[in-house]
Amino acid sequence: AQKVTQAQTEISVVEKEDVTLDCVYETRDTTYYLFWYKQPPSGELVFLIRRNSFDEQNEISGRYSWNFQKSTSSFNFTITASQVVDSAVYFCALSEARETSGSRLTFGEGTQLTVNP
Amino acid sequence: DAGVTQSPTHLIKTRGQQVTLRCSPKSGHDTVSWYQQALGQGPQFIFQYYEEEERQRGNFPDRFSGHQFPNYSSELNVNALLLGDSALYLCASSLGVREVRGYTFGSGTRLTVV
Repeated sequence: AQKVTQAQTEISVVEKEDVTLDCVYETRDTTYYLFWYKQPPSGELVFLIRRNSFDEQNEISGRYSWNFQKSTSSFNFTITASQVVDSAVYFCALSEARETSGSRLTFGEGTQLTVNP
Repeated sequence: DAGVTQSPTHLIKTRGQQVTLRCSPKSGHDTVSWYQQALGQGPQFIFQYYEEEERQRGNFPDRFSGHQFPNYSSELNVNALLLGDSALYLCASSLGVREVRGYTFGSGTRLTVV
């Protein structure tokens, strides 16, 4: 069975601080995909990034960066110079890769990030 | 380009009633998945529809059923509502049943069971 753990329930920072959101996953599959989503109060899940299990390169996109470490089954997300607009719930998710039987996302419990001015 | 559209946005039902939620996928997408998100928790997978068939199902009772129409839109039906069914129901669309890249989520339907 797949499992995603986000140990940080809530994080509060002051604007311009850097913040890292932790994600640890469990899967028996050798091929899988990892995601981060942002959920603002409106409820819609906004896609941030997708990584496959064969690509361990870290990625940077503007103020966002992701650290994927297969050896520790972690996929952490860092926001540099946080802004008030970054306040939201962030979800880490895992999906197996199946040939024909469909796919599903397994989500963590989410981390509520509050950035204070 | 319209994204995923869900209706209604909010709904209040009485315990024991039945409810139908609707989802129109993003233009060009042919697969629809449904998720239940209880307050303060992560979304839980209910089921996925492709080619008008249920392709995968999560750990939900038979009270939860669905349908996909030829135009790729989908409905989620819940019978014999329980208080515990109160949640945000999210619809996600994608292209192809294996597509793990292009999930697009709607804003959800907030269901309250009283």
